[in-house]
Amino acid sequence: DIQMTQSPSSLSASVGDRVTITCRASQSISKYLNWFQQKPGTAPRLLIYAASTLQSGVPSRFTGSGSGTDFTLTISSLQPEDFATYYCQQSYYTRPLAFGGGTKVEIK
Amino acid sequence: EVQLVESGGTLIQPGGSLTLSCTASGFTVSSNYMTWVRQAPGKGLEWVSLIFSSGGTFYADSVKGRFTMSRDNSKNTVYLHMNSLRVEDTAVYFCAREEFDYWGQGTLVTVSS
Repeated sequence: DIQMTQSPSSLSASVGDRVTITCRASQSISKYLNWFQQKPGTAPRLLIYAASTLQSGVPSRFTGSGSGTDFTLTISSLQPEDFATYYCQQSYYTRPLAFGGGTKVEIK
Repeated sequence: EVQLVESGGTLIQPGGSLTLSCTASGFTVSSNYMTWVRQAPGKGLEWVSLIFSSGGTFYADSVKGRFTMSRDNSKNTVYLHMNSLRVEDTAVYFCAREEFDYWGQGTLVTVSS
């Protein structure tokens, strides 16, 4: 089965910092990669799909890149509302629709 | 407006059975695939199951043989029938549509004696 590995599992950053989260797939998934943001007690929110396409309504400070097995989510200038947990997910294989383990972005 | 609403979560004893519902509005659940995703307390997201527009289903290894996903097109609703529940099935269960752009609010299943 395909596995998704995110790093780091957590990070501390300040408002205005540039933040980068990486996601690696155990097999090639072309560009079938989603990124989600989740805040406590709420459902995940889709940020980016197809590795680099910004979901409607998502601020342009979020960018995604990569293809094949290696992907990156970048927040260009961290805002207070961005402190949350971020997950990647592959959608190339429908079994399993594996998620990464998550990256918790905390306030430094 | 697209909306997904889950229901059915409760406290249940190990070995018990439970059915969760996810009712959609603003789109047709049979038009693409629908999924269930769960999140144990303090843990990450885990994909659970999927139902294709054809009605075919896939399951995570952790629930295969115990959980069954189904759909009622007349009610625009998908279900997750859960049998032989274990303590480790305790989680918030979310439904989502294929694009993962819309999710339900989640329903809590607690398996405990």
